[in-house]
Amino acid sequence: AQTVTQSQPEMSVQEAETVTLSCTYDTSESNYYLFWYKQPPSRQMILVIRQEAYKQQNATENRFSVNFQKAAKSFSLKISDSQLGDTAMYFCAFMTRRAGNMLTFGGGTRLMVKP
Amino acid sequence: GAGVSQSPSNKVTEKGKDVELRCDPISGHTALYWYRQSLGQGLEFLIYFQGNSAPDKSGLPSDRFSAERTGGSVSTLTIQRTQQEDSAVYLCASSLLAGTSSTDTQYFGPGTRLTVL
Repeated sequence: AQTVTQSQPEMSVQEAETVTLSCTYDTSESNYYLFWYKQPPSRQMILVIRQEAYKQQNATENRFSVNFQKAAKSFSLKISDSQLGDTAMYFCAFMTRRAGNMLTFGGGTRLMVKP
Repeated sequence: GAGVSQSPSNKVTEKGKDVELRCDPISGHTALYWYRQSLGQGLEFLIYFQGNSAPDKSGLPSDRFSAERTGGSVSTLTIQRTQQEDSAVYLCASSLLAGTSSTDTQYFGPGTRLTVL
């Protein structure tokens, strides 16, 4: 079974600063996918970024980037130039096709961006 | 285009009643998932539909929970004889075609908040 751990229940950052959210996972699979989702108070889960395990290059999406360390089973999210609209719950998630494509989520990190 | 929609947005019911929650996936998406988000358990997988294959029901917590997907599109999650521990947000997601790279990404609806009194 796969497990995903987010060790930071809450974090805060000043507007325009950079923040890194941590995620570790445990799996015996070699092919899998990792995701970061954002859930603002509206409850809508929004995809932030995805990473295929077979790709060595870290994924980036504008102000969002990941540090994927496959050997260490670590998948952290870096948010640069934080904006007030980044305030939300952030969930790290794992998926493998062999386990049926469903997502396994971490417990989430609540991020507050302060003006 | 239109995203995943769910109805109702909120549902309050009395213990012992049955409820039905609806999900409309993104048009053309063949895979559909149900998840439950609760304070105590976090986000949990419930059930997964892929095309015409038999659904993966491995996440359903009890036989009071069932789901169907009609015509490969709309899905209904039914909870019979609701209990207070069923109170949670029920999230639906869809993906274009499970089993290929970028199309595995799941897109979520806004969820249904269920409160059992």
